[in-house]
Amino acid sequence: DQQVKQNSPSLSVQEGRISILNCDYTNSMFDYFLWYKKYPAEGPTFLISISSIKDKNEDGRFTVFLNKSAKHLSLHIVPSQPGDSAVYFCAAFSGNTPLVFGKGTRLSVIA
Amino acid sequence: KAGVTQTPRYLIKTRGQQVTLSCSPISGHRSVSWYQQTPGQGLQFLFEYFSETQRNKGNFPGRFSGRQFSNSRSEMNVSTLELGDSALYLCASTEIQGATMEGYTFGSGTRLTVV
Repeated sequence: DQQVKQNSPSLSVQEGRISILNCDYTNSMFDYFLWYKKYPAEGPTFLISISSIKDKNEDGRFTVFLNKSAKHLSLHIVPSQPGDSAVYFCAAFSGNTPLVFGKGTRLSVIA
Repeated sequence: KAGVTQTPRYLIKTRGQQVTLSCSPISGHRSVSWYQQTPGQGLQFLFEYFSETQRNKGNFPGRFSGRQFSNSRSEMNVSTLELGDSALYLCASTEIQGATMEGYTFGSGTRLTVV
C-alpha cells in the first residue's frame, strides 16, 4: 500500500515553460510535505516543503500547492531550465515518523 | 561543514555474501536514516537510529540490520545477499529524531551490485 504516489514516471517540458509535477497521498495524518530533487549518482537534495495548514509555499522559481481535501500536491517550476532535468521525489511525514517517499518523476527540460 | 559521507561509493558482491555499509552524519546530527532506492520503487525506508537506538524500522527482512555508534556514525549490514538487493543505499541525517520541514540531508549513496 503506497501512501505517497507519483503517477507520472516521466515528464518532458520545453525550456522556459512551466513544469508541473503531481503527487497524491492516502494518509490523512501527514502533517508536512516535501519535494526532493535527485541527479544521477548523487543523493536527493531538499527543494521545498509545505505544512498541512498552508495551501501554497513559494521559493524562487519553485512553488508547491497543497489541496488537503483532494489529498494532492503539486510542484510548479517556472520558468523551467535545462539544469532542472532530474528525478523529483514527493515525500511526507507526521510527528517524528520517517519520510515516506513516492517513486519519483523524471523531468526532462528540453532546450 | 562536511556533509553526510557514505563509504564505499560502489561495491560488487556475490550472492550469499554479506556486506557492511558505513555512514558518517553531519557533525552534530544525532539521527541517521537508511533508505534503499531501486528503479521503479523509489526510496524505501529501512531504519532510523537516534542516540544509538533503532527508533523506526521499515518493512524489510531480518537480513537487513544496522547499528549506530556513540559518535553517531552508523553502519548497515545485509547478510546472505540476493540479486534483488542490488540498489543504491542512501543514508540521511538530521539533528533530531524523525523528519523535519527541512527534510533530511542525504549522502551520495553506496551503489551495491550483487552478482
